[in-house]
Amino acid sequence: AQSVTQLDSQVPVFEEAPVELRCNYSSSVSVYLFWYVQYPNQGLQLLLKYLSGSTLVESINGFEAEFNKSQTSFHLRKPSVHISDTAEYFCAVSDAGGTSYGKLTFGQGTILTVHP
Amino acid sequence: SAVISQKPSRDICQRGTSLTIQCQVDSQVTMMFWYRQQPGQSLTLIATANQGSEATYESGFVIDKFPISRPNLTFSTLTVSNMSPEDSSIYLCSVGLAGGYEQYFGPGTRLTVT
Repeated sequence: AQSVTQLDSQVPVFEEAPVELRCNYSSSVSVYLFWYVQYPNQGLQLLLKYLSGSTLVESINGFEAEFNKSQTSFHLRKPSVHISDTAEYFCAVSDAGGTSYGKLTFGQGTILTVHP
Repeated sequence: SAVISQKPSRDICQRGTSLTIQCQVDSQVTMMFWYRQQPGQSLTLIATANQGSEATYESGFVIDKFPISRPNLTFSTLTVSNMSPEDSSIYLCSVGLAGGYEQYFGPGTRLTVT
């Protein structure tokens, strides 16, 4: 069985400050890792993913996440946030193959609030 | 990616009734999933609905309560049967692309049971 822990339920920051949203997972098999974002009153959007290759992955809007296998973490970072980044962020994991193929296990979510 | 629509977007239903939620995708996909997001909580997988096979339900979810249809590669329905207030949630469908390893979500159906 897999599990995902997002260590912070809420993260308030000021505009242009850096931010890190923490995510740890547990799994007995190889995994793929994802960050999803849910803007207020909108659906869930895929922000970035780690499937293989470079452990540092980036999104088009300046977020990045690094897969750390030894620490079983996939923390999300942005060096300078904008008001428009205010949203709820979900970390998710799926098995890299096997009988749980394609199924996502989500963390509890982190609400990022960017203040002016 | 894929464009996914769900109907209805929201509904208010009385306990004991049933509601069928539709999910439509703009391209043919093999893997579709149904999730539930209870108020203030994360998403929980209800079932996997692959075309040509019976839906596979996760622990805690049963076919009698959440029957699913998958008649073709672009469409699926989830029915929430004999509803109670505890079924008040957002129900989301998703499709698996890139070999199933990337999932894209519909906008969700917000269900309130009174």
